[in-house]
Amino acid sequence: AQTVTQSQPEMSVQEAETVTLSCTYDTSESNYYLFWYKQPPSRQMILVIRQEAYKQQNATENRFSVNFQKAAKSFSLKISDSQLGDTAMYFCAFMKHLNNDMRFGAGTRLTVKP
Amino acid sequence: KAGVTQTPRYLIKTRGQQVTLSCSPISGHRSVSWYQQTPGQGLQFLFEYFSETQRNKGNFPGRFSGRQFSNSRSEMNVSTLELGDSALYLCASSPDGQGLANYGYTFGSGTRLTVV
Repeated sequence: AQTVTQSQPEMSVQEAETVTLSCTYDTSESNYYLFWYKQPPSRQMILVIRQEAYKQQNATENRFSVNFQKAAKSFSLKISDSQLGDTAMYFCAFMKHLNNDMRFGAGTRLTVKP
Repeated sequence: KAGVTQTPRYLIKTRGQQVTLSCSPISGHRSVSWYQQTPGQGLQFLFEYFSETQRNKGNFPGRFSGRQFSNSRSEMNVSTLELGDSALYLCASSPDGQGLANYGYTFGSGTRLTVV
């Protein structure tokens, strides 16, 4: 079974600084997808970024980027120039190819301080 | 384009009762999945429906059931409610096939169920 581990329950960062959230996963699959979702107090889960396991290039979406280390099964999220609106729970998620059962980590609560 | 709509937003039920939650996916999305979110267990997959058929199922007791209608709207039912069923229930929709991998799920804002 696939498991996703987020070892940092809570983190904080000063506005405009950079923060990295960690995620590791366990799988025997070779073809899969990884995601970072953000859940603000409004409760709605919002997709931040996705990565395909067969692509070596790290995904980037504006201020958000990932460091994908397939051999180490690591998928960290870097948020640059942190903004107050980035305050939220962040979930790392794993999905096997052709399987809609997305598995989530326990989440990291990020607080951006002014 | 309307998002994923879940109703009701909040619900309070008594132990032993049953409850039905509703989810309307994004127009054109044929796959609907349900997740239970609790502080202790995090996000857990309940089941996924596609074309009115349950395609995947998580590890939940038979008290949890669902269905999908021809317009892709989905309902989730929990019978004989227990205190431990108190949770945020999230519905997520996606295009089928490679759509989920390409775009991820689009989630609703959830239904907060409290069992007293």
